[in-house]
Amino acid sequence: QQQVKQSPQSLIVQKGGISIINCAYENTAFDYFPWYQQFPGKGPALLIAIRPDVSEKKEGRFTISFNKSAKQFSLHIMDSQPGDSATYFCAARGGNQFYFGTGTSLTVIP
Amino acid sequence: DSGVTQTPKHLITATGQRVTLRCSPRSGDLSVYWYQQSLDQGLQFLIQYYNGEERAKGNILERFSAQQFPDLHSELNLSSLELGDSALYFCASSVAGGQGFQGADTQYFGPGTRLTVL
Repeated sequence: QQQVKQSPQSLIVQKGGISIINCAYENTAFDYFPWYQQFPGKGPALLIAIRPDVSEKKEGRFTISFNKSAKQFSLHIMDSQPGDSATYFCAARGGNQFYFGTGTSLTVIP
Repeated sequence: DSGVTQTPKHLITATGQRVTLRCSPRSGDLSVYWYQQSLDQGLQFLIQYYNGEERAKGNILERFSAQQFPDLHSELNLSSLELGDSALYFCASSVAGGQGFQGADTQYFGPGTRLTVL
């Protein structure tokens, strides 16, 4: 059973556009929601994270929007660049465990 | 470079065999996490150690075991290997054990070990 559902599986965006990746969860005990970026041949790297008592967090071009009542959160990449092309994973922490989404492969075309 | 090292980078073995994957955490990190990444299952948490003690257990098969040594490096042992065990295995480390938010609980991932079971 997938604890965190992520969509879309793949995304193609023009340079300068907005990339949006969505995640949904069911377990209301989750208390920390990070997003990871993974380039081919590398391990995931923490990009940005949010706590459920905050509705939005912005770091540079990356923003997490969090909707606690809907149990959904999303990553927005503004002014997407070809260098942003990577796989993005959302995750949620419950206890000492992290549950990951299945990943979104983002391609930003020049 | 995250500072987490994993060896070997690639491993090819046959079904029924046993392998050991090694992870050295970042200097000062006490926690080590093991993950399995496969195409169909995504990233799955296997197990966490904190300062030598098992802290959390995820979807780890009984054929798999892990330990963290006094110098804080960790090993993941996979035995009676099956074709379906072929995957990328990542190790991550953090300063703390995962009770807080960001900061000391940020996980830094190593480059992974690609295991191919033939």
